[in-house]
Amino acid sequence: EAGVAQSPRYKIIEKRQSVAFWCNPISGHATLYWYQQILGQGPKLLIQFQNNGVVDDSQLPKDRFSAERLKGVDSTLKIQPAKLEDSAVYLCASSLDRGGGAPLHFGNGTRLTVT
Amino acid sequence: GNSVTQMEGPVTLSEEAFLTINCTYTATGYPSLFWYVQYPGEGLQLLLKATKADDKGSNKGFEATYRKETTSFHLEKGSVQVSDSAVYFCALSRGNKFYFGSGTKLNVKP
Repeated sequence: EAGVAQSPRYKIIEKRQSVAFWCNPISGHATLYWYQQILGQGPKLLIQFQNNGVVDDSQLPKDRFSAERLKGVDSTLKIQPAKLEDSAVYLCASSLDRGGGAPLHFGNGTRLTVT
Repeated sequence: GNSVTQMEGPVTLSEEAFLTINCTYTATGYPSLFWYVQYPGEGLQLLLKATKADDKGSNKGFEATYRKETTSFHLEKGSVQVSDSAVYFCALSRGNKFYFGSGTKLNVKP
């Protein structure tokens, strides 16, 4: 099966600019996650979708971050305006969500550098 | 609440040495447990998993046993290779929510 696809792989922007990331999950996976991974740390959940509804966005900085999942498939994550501390790798993951310990499948991430 | 604690790194070993990376968890109910590996510039890849007590997950020579009595899921490998150098993350899931440890970097020297 094809894996989780993310683009772009790298992005460099100046602070106060905006940026968007795209994710295409594995076909048939109902649950989609966006994580932020700062260098040297574990992934931190930003937002979790079940189909096209938001399940958990409690750690999403909603004054600057937004995300959507249209038609329950692809998703975009946007940052506007970016801050220096947003420099990180943004990982998208998907899961079958059938219970019983279905694992997360991750994309290769987008490395964002804010200067 | 739910959380994962894993040993801090980096862990530096010589090739063919024995590896143990400790992981303990706190969870309500009966979580599923995972080990993920992350190579430089890549996303996390599932290494192995266990879904109930006493289950042993294994893959590519790595093993981990779900120990409910000690709330642990330690990762082991009998003989590491240079190609095993990566960051290893322990994680648990409850329903469809995942909780990750902070990662342990493994360096294997030839």
